[in-house]
Amino acid sequence: GDSVTQMEGPVTLSEEAFLTINCTYTATGYPSLFWYVQYPGEGLQLLLKATKADDKGSNKGFEATYRKETTSFHLEKGSVQVSDSAVYFCALAGGTSYGKLTFGQGTILTVHP
Amino acid sequence: EPEVTQTPSHQVTQMGQEVILRCVPISNHLYFYWYRQILGQKVEFLVSFYNNEISEKSEIFDDQFSVERPDGSNFTLKIRSTKLEDSAMYFCASSGDNSRANVLTFGAGSRLTVL
Repeated sequence: GDSVTQMEGPVTLSEEAFLTINCTYTATGYPSLFWYVQYPGEGLQLLLKATKADDKGSNKGFEATYRKETTSFHLEKGSVQVSDSAVYFCALAGGTSYGKLTFGQGTILTVHP
Repeated sequence: EPEVTQTPSHQVTQMGQEVILRCVPISNHLYFYWYRQILGQKVEFLVSFYNNEISEKSEIFDDQFSVERPDGSNFTLKIRSTKLEDSAMYFCASSGDNSRANVLTFGAGSRLTVL
């Protein structure tokens, strides 16, 4: 079945540091890929998405590129801020089941001033 | 910005009791979902609901679980007889038409603690 693996966390960075959170997946066919973010006390919010190979999703300075050859969708940001502190989830939607997402385990990011 | 609201935010119940978790999805959305996250584990799909019926459910969603959209606005998850292992954060979500059916908006979650 489908699966998503994220890098182990938590991740602690200083403000303005470069961020990478690794995500790899296993799926049949051509899944859509997502990054969701959860701020303290809030629900999961869609951060960015990519629906086909070589697509780059971007939002709020975050980017991720759908790499079919390496089955990866790594999240990057060039300069993190304290306000980026949150839990980040990689997810995929495979097949024809609308809204049935398979999530990674989540990565806690803490950014210090 | 439209949001999905869930109540209660936290519920504590005794094993064997019935629990109903409530959700108000975004008003023009067509697809509704429940997910759960057991502490320290991944967020897991439970069920999807479209056109007033279940469209898909996971193996977790056994006969103890049911969903309902009783009045066109609320979307509920009922656990008939709770077990200790049902303790988790339950997330409701909704999404729009086919082209955006995989773009889910999630609620903040309802934390269920079964004693």
